[in-house]
Amino acid sequence: GQQVMQIPQYQHVQEGEDFTTYCNSSTTLSNIQWYKQRPGGHPVFLIQLVKSGEVKKQKRLTFQFGEAKKNSSLHITATQTTDVGTYFCAGSNSGYALNFGKGTSLLVTP
Amino acid sequence: DGGITQSPKYLFRKEGQNVTLSCEQNLNHDAMYWYRQDPGQGLRLIYYSQIVNDFQKGDIAEGYSVSREKKESFPLTVTSAQKNPTAFYLCASSNRGQGEYEQFFGPGTRLTVL
Repeated sequence: GQQVMQIPQYQHVQEGEDFTTYCNSSTTLSNIQWYKQRPGGHPVFLIQLVKSGEVKKQKRLTFQFGEAKKNSSLHITATQTTDVGTYFCAGSNSGYALNFGKGTSLLVTP
Repeated sequence: DGGITQSPKYLFRKEGQNVTLSCEQNLNHDAMYWYRQDPGQGLRLIYYSQIVNDFQKGDIAEGYSVSREKKESFPLTVTSAQKNPTAFYLCASSNRGQGEYEQFFGPGTRLTVL
């Protein structure tokens, strides 16, 4: 079945450094979503990408969807301590459920 | 105030007992989901329901059961057949059952089986 792989599993950065997490699917996706889960909290939707090569920005966050619609990335510029949490990608291939990656846990030290 | 509620937040049970986790939403969403989260494992789908009185197994349905008698409610029963039930359980809902819709998550229930 469809699998979504996410790397790295953990990332520790100094405040102000950039951060990137990558997501790869074994099959072509119809769309990909990104979620953020703060420590002790629940996942919260960030964004959805649908088009091949799509790039979307939310302040310091940049999301990309690959040309082949099999990979995606989330880049955070100049991390802040409020960025701490686990970032999940979740892909769908027009089915009825999302397949979540295992997530990247980001730790930001001041 | 719209959202998803799960109760209780923490639940302790003895091994061999069935336990039911509650999930209620007032977002008027058609689809609801149950996920299990273990450290380093991400979210794994247990069951999902696209409409009332209908539900499908996810990737790890063994040892779990659900019902969807009302649009607002999607309770999950963890049975004694589930070999490793201690985990964080998340309920979610979306406007429709297709993967193109944003999912809204409840606060979760942390189940510990002793």
